[in-house]
Amino acid sequence: AQKITQTQPGMFVQEKEAVTLDCTYDTSDQSYGLFWYKQPSSGEMIFLIYQGSYDEQNATEGRYSLNFQKARTSANLVISASQLGDSAMYFCAMREGERNQFYFGTGTSLTVIP
Amino acid sequence: EAEVAQSPRYKITEKSQAVAFWCDPISGHATLYWYRQILGQGPELLVQFQDESVVDDSQLPKDRFSAERLKGVDSTLKIQPAELGDSAMYLCASSWGPGLAAPAHEQFFGPGTRLTVL
Repeated sequence: AQKITQTQPGMFVQEKEAVTLDCTYDTSDQSYGLFWYKQPSSGEMIFLIYQGSYDEQNATEGRYSLNFQKARTSANLVISASQLGDSAMYFCAMREGERNQFYFGTGTSLTVIP
Repeated sequence: EAEVAQSPRYKITEKSQAVAFWCDPISGHATLYWYRQILGQGPELLVQFQDESVVDDSQLPKDRFSAERLKGVDSTLKIQPAELGDSAMYLCASSWGPGLAAPAHEQFFGPGTRLTVL
């Protein structure tokens, strides 16, 4: 079974609008971490936001927020007030286990339309 | 600002040749990861080191790939012989290591090495 599932291969959003990128995860650990990374066409992986499994409040970082629904094993990324520079691939990832094993999803390509 | 260094940034090689990639993690980071990312896909973990020890190499094609981190600092990933299907971005990442409070285990990525096998 996939550890991380991203069901949206591509998304489009109008500039200044909000967009939600979906992510579901699969783990039997009680303690785990969820991450979102942005990868522009230049190739570097840029850390956006983190949510720990015991965090009761949803993480927020500027225009990024993580909608963490533990019972549904989902960790969706919400980008508010989209900008043209937000156009990139977005990857959801999970850390689990004593050895800090990381698993990445297949990514969502976001295009912001002027 | 501390960064993960990788070299070379680009490598073009012919099928059946040997290639090697180098990674220098952020100073003090105990955990080092090598990923392969095929165009249009997510990163796939090849090998994970904790200090100088391999903790996960289950996805490493061991007949042709090898990785080492002899002194627990920098690391080398080697492919011999290279095949056409090895064309991909090879990403190195590092983190502080297990047993630390979140989000200290966040991974910091290097710029990657883009490999093209002809």
